[in-house]
Amino acid sequence: DGGITQSPKYLFRKEGQNVTLSCEQNLNHDAMYWYRQDPGQGLRLIYYSQIVNDFQKGDIAEGYSVSREKKESFPLTVTSAQKNPTAFYLCASSRATGMRLNYGYTFGSGTRLTVV
Amino acid sequence: GENVEQHPSTLSVQEGDSAVIKCTYSDSASNYFPWYKQELGKRPQLIIDIRSNVGEKKDQRIAVTLNKTAKHFSLHITETQPEDSAVYFCAASPQGDTGRRALTFGSGTRLQVQP
Repeated sequence: DGGITQSPKYLFRKEGQNVTLSCEQNLNHDAMYWYRQDPGQGLRLIYYSQIVNDFQKGDIAEGYSVSREKKESFPLTVTSAQKNPTAFYLCASSRATGMRLNYGYTFGSGTRLTVV
Repeated sequence: GENVEQHPSTLSVQEGDSAVIKCTYSDSASNYFPWYKQELGKRPQLIIDIRSNVGEKKDQRIAVTLNKTAKHFSLHITETQPEDSAVYFCAASPQGDTGRRALTFGSGTRLQVQP
């Protein structure tokens, strides 16, 4: 599936629950990213990671947490502190962003999260 | 931080006409500008990108232009076809050892090509 797999495709969360979205890539990419997509608002950065065991907050990190224990995996946890989690979540990866070059992303197919 | 604005939000053209989508950015350190196409229900796909050392890049019917002085870049699609109908996103990212090493996206343009 393009080398980067997100699961599940659809996820339903009850009020007060934490849920974890999976993102796995076999592209040997160093960098991984999580974006949230809402209608008419484009893609907003939640967290990103350039290397294993390191990650940085994006623009809308509140209520989310991540880990990067393996190069291939970058799971996103949506905590109960995220008050409006219903959205489409996209994971992406790219080659290492060195000092001189940046590379385009490869996106996963997304997870649609709905609060019930 | 970087702010990317994209216009128009919707664009309808007749098949065969050209389409132009424009983006502006705020961070003068940004010098990588990709464009993504997202078809309904699918993941965004990179269609073309440009780095600041060039002013224009073409790939068949698609071209991107960059004006670093004015901090704006544009996507041009010629001879549009119904399969070009999708949402298009521009993005910007700084390079080097300062700033965020992640793309900031525009809000998207929904392009509809009428047969």
